[in-house]
Amino acid sequence: EAQVTQNPRYLITVTGKKLTVTCSQNMNHEYMSWYRQDPGLGLRQIYYSMNVEVTDKGDVPEGYKVSRKEKRNFPLILESPSPNQTSLYFCASSLSSGFWREREDTQYFGPGTRLTVL
Amino acid sequence: ELKVEQNPLFLSMQEGKNYTIYCNYSTTSDRLYWYRQDPGKSLESLFVLLSNGAVKQEGRLMASLDTKARLSTLHITAAVHDLSATYFCAVDIVIGNTPLVFGKGTRLSVIA
Repeated sequence: EAQVTQNPRYLITVTGKKLTVTCSQNMNHEYMSWYRQDPGLGLRQIYYSMNVEVTDKGDVPEGYKVSRKEKRNFPLILESPSPNQTSLYFCASSLSSGFWREREDTQYFGPGTRLTVL
Repeated sequence: ELKVEQNPLFLSMQEGKNYTIYCNYSTTSDRLYWYRQDPGKSLESLFVLLSNGAVKQEGRLMASLDTKARLSTLHITAAVHDLSATYFCAVDIVIGNTPLVFGKGTRLSVIA
């Protein structure tokens, strides 16, 4: 089954304790992205990656890191989490990006990770 | 900077009625997306609109795009309870590989 998976789905942690949220897709997609969703603010893009070893900042990258060593995986790293990073996080992927993007391409979203930082 | 505005943000409608959700964006765009999100769930793609005048329909939902007015609409026909969800529009532009920008979402509640 074609899907985007995220782990963990729920996480409660404490300020300053490094954590990683994994994201994996099995659709051979080039483009992957991380979003956070907060009440009243909608979805905001944190980082995106157009292909392996190519990553770039979205709208709200502060406090986050990403890496794209393999096409299928795009982990989100919080080196020193703070309470303002409590949020619902979504990973997404799409077939292509940029000028050569397929016409009907759309992003497929993972199930979400609800993170609470105390 | 690309801005996307949806309205209304909250919509309560009776079963059987029609209504329209509006999505305005600030910059010439390459494409526009509509997504649906059920409470506690992920986002599901509904439509991708690629050109001026594009219209797509799926069941009771119809989306259209007017690139000159920088406006997309999501029209709901004869609403049923199953359509209760939050609907997001999102816009991006090709040049510069800019991030996909989402509207704040319209929370739709269909009541009997």
